[in-house]
Amino acid sequence: NAGVTQTPKFRVLKTGQSMTLLCAQDMNHEYMYWYRQDPGMGLRLIHYSVGEGTTAKGEVPDGYNVSRLKKQNFLLGLESAAPSQTSVYFCASRPMRGEQYFGPGTRLTVT
Amino acid sequence: EDQVTQSPEALRLQEGESSSLNCSYTVSGLRGLFWYRQDPGKGPEFLFTLYSAGEEKEKERLKATLTKKESFLHITAPKPEDSATYLCAVRSAGAGGTSYGKLTFGQGTILTVHP
Repeated sequence: NAGVTQTPKFRVLKTGQSMTLLCAQDMNHEYMYWYRQDPGMGLRLIHYSVGEGTTAKGEVPDGYNVSRLKKQNFLLGLESAAPSQTSVYFCASRPMRGEQYFGPGTRLTVT
Repeated sequence: EDQVTQSPEALRLQEGESSSLNCSYTVSGLRGLFWYRQDPGKGPEFLFTLYSAGEEKEKERLKATLTKKESFLHITAPKPEDSATYLCAVRSAGAGGTSYGKLTFGQGTILTVHP
């Protein structure tokens, strides 16, 4: 099992550009989550999904959109990137009961 | 609103020097307190889940304990390979009795163990 994988690992965007981060899990988990991690701020929840075709807002959803068309994939989109979105993004998945498993992260820089 | 505060922000130890990390929390209906380890450039790695006051769990040199207001991660005779950031998180009951597994994280404690 690969667990939770994220692509890409690194990305540099210019202000106003768009991009999509892909999260994939092969553990058949129902729940999936997107976090951002900033120095001194800890991990903050952006959006989450409780199953295929469902999404919900987390703590810091503004400027991001998500989709979960397939159970194993959870996409995070930035329609018009801003420097404030420079961060490290982590995806996580979780079965109905148990802990969250995290991916390796995507480091995004917006100039 | 759930809140998690970890202290200290950073901790430097000599190899073999035991110590503890603190995680204070306020939550409406605790459904689990989680400890994760995060190495530089990597995602958090699960260590422990504690569900009720008085519960303890151990793994190698690490022992996690839980009270009604805080959790401690005790590190006994640490080694340099224990150097990492340790994250604490809570899961609450949430509105309507479910939070869908959402976690609220603390800011982490950066542990450095010198040989």
